[in-house]
Amino acid sequence: EADIYQTPRYLVIGTGKKITLECSQTMGHDKMYWYQQDPGMELHLIHYSYGVNSTEKGDLSSESTVSRIRTEHFPLTLESARPSHTSQYLCASSHGYGYTFGSGTRLTVV
Amino acid sequence: KNEVEQSPQNLTAQEGEFITINCSYSVGISALHWLQQHPGGGIVSLFMLSSGKKKHGRLIATINIQEKHSSLHITASHPRDSAVYICAVGLFGNEKLTFGTGTRLTIIP
Repeated sequence: EADIYQTPRYLVIGTGKKITLECSQTMGHDKMYWYQQDPGMELHLIHYSYGVNSTEKGDLSSESTVSRIRTEHFPLTLESARPSHTSQYLCASSHGYGYTFGSGTRLTVV
Repeated sequence: KNEVEQSPQNLTAQEGEFITINCSYSVGISALHWLQQHPGGGIVSLFMLSSGKKKHGRLIATINIQEKHSSLHITASHPRDSAVYICAVGLFGNEKLTFGTGTRLTIIP
């Protein structure tokens, strides 16, 4: 039973397109995160939010942007997709030190 | 050097074998997480530890804070246990996680 939902699950898109990856959680967690994971590599934090209207860049530089207008919703946007953005994007939320992860979006930019 | 090191990177075992995956970290932490990632990418949180030992079904996780080391054990391994197991640590005062590179486990029937 997933309490954090990511859509789409898979996305293949052409270079230059604008895309938004959706992430929603039903647990009322204040803290939400976006991680990027290249194949066979570790996860890296690219964005996080500690509450509504609060967003920060993570440890790994990313050309994506995020917004947090509602507690439950933390979408990630790429204004102009490039092949270098091909990766898996994982959303997570936390309360205290307990984490919940989404199923991820596997993005391929051709 | 990654702050979180896992070993082995890859592990193949026969069904029924006892499995151990190790995680070492170099900084003081508030909590350590063991995560499971199946093909397709979704991640499931298995354990969160700050001390001692936890057990859930066939899975056991231990942590030694003084030695900065944790182990994940799987008893009576089964092909459905095949996945990547990831160790992640949270630093004091910081809920962001730092991840290891994962251990790819394959259980052969």
